[in-house]
Amino acid sequence: SQTIHQWPATLVQPVGSPLSLECTVEGTSNPNLYWYRQAAGRGLQLLFYSVGIGQISSEVPQNLSASRPQDRQFILSSKKLLLSDSGFYLCAWGGNTIYFGEGSWLTVV
Amino acid sequence: GESVGLHLPTLSVQEGDNSIINCAYSNSASDYFIWYKQESGKGPQFIIDIRSNMDKRQGQRVTVLLNKTVKHLSLQIAATQPGDSAVYFCAEKGGATNKLIFGTGTLLAVQP
Repeated sequence: SQTIHQWPATLVQPVGSPLSLECTVEGTSNPNLYWYRQAAGRGLQLLFYSVGIGQISSEVPQNLSASRPQDRQFILSSKKLLLSDSGFYLCAWGGNTIYFGEGSWLTVV
Repeated sequence: GESVGLHLPTLSVQEGDNSIINCAYSNSASDYFIWYKQESGKGPQFIIDIRSNMDKRQGQRVTVLLNKTVKHLSLQIAATQPGDSAVYFCAEKGGATNKLIFGTGTLLAVQP
């Protein structure tokens, strides 16, 4: 069966520091991969999606970037974090139906 | 633009009662709909889906109803339990972008 792993689970970072969140999927090949952000008490905002290695589409202009160095690996990065980057970040995979990881809580202080 | 919204941001029910969570969508071209459950601090969990060629689909204790005439989607939970307390999101897919668009969520609070 397919599983998705995301880490770290929680992260507290100072403003201006870099960010790297990592996600891997097991049990499937060439999955569509997604990064979502969820602000406290809010809905899900699609940040990036990827249909293959090296193929990244950005949904909203922001301080973040994504990369897909391997088929089942998806990384969310930032060179310099802003306070507004705080939130709950979710990696997901799938086609019509999207399946989510457990999420990463990022607090920028 | 296209959007998916929920009628009730918070729904409080008694344990054992049936719950109905509603969702309106605006894109008549959407042809696939999903309900997710998100418990506090966790990622959303797939509950049930339905395609636009169906009006009703049943799972274990859950039923999704789709009314395409009024662009309305609902999730019914039978015999609601404390473990059902969570935020429920509807999502739609289809149309020009074919991307999954999420509503803002409804908090279901089950009272003992």
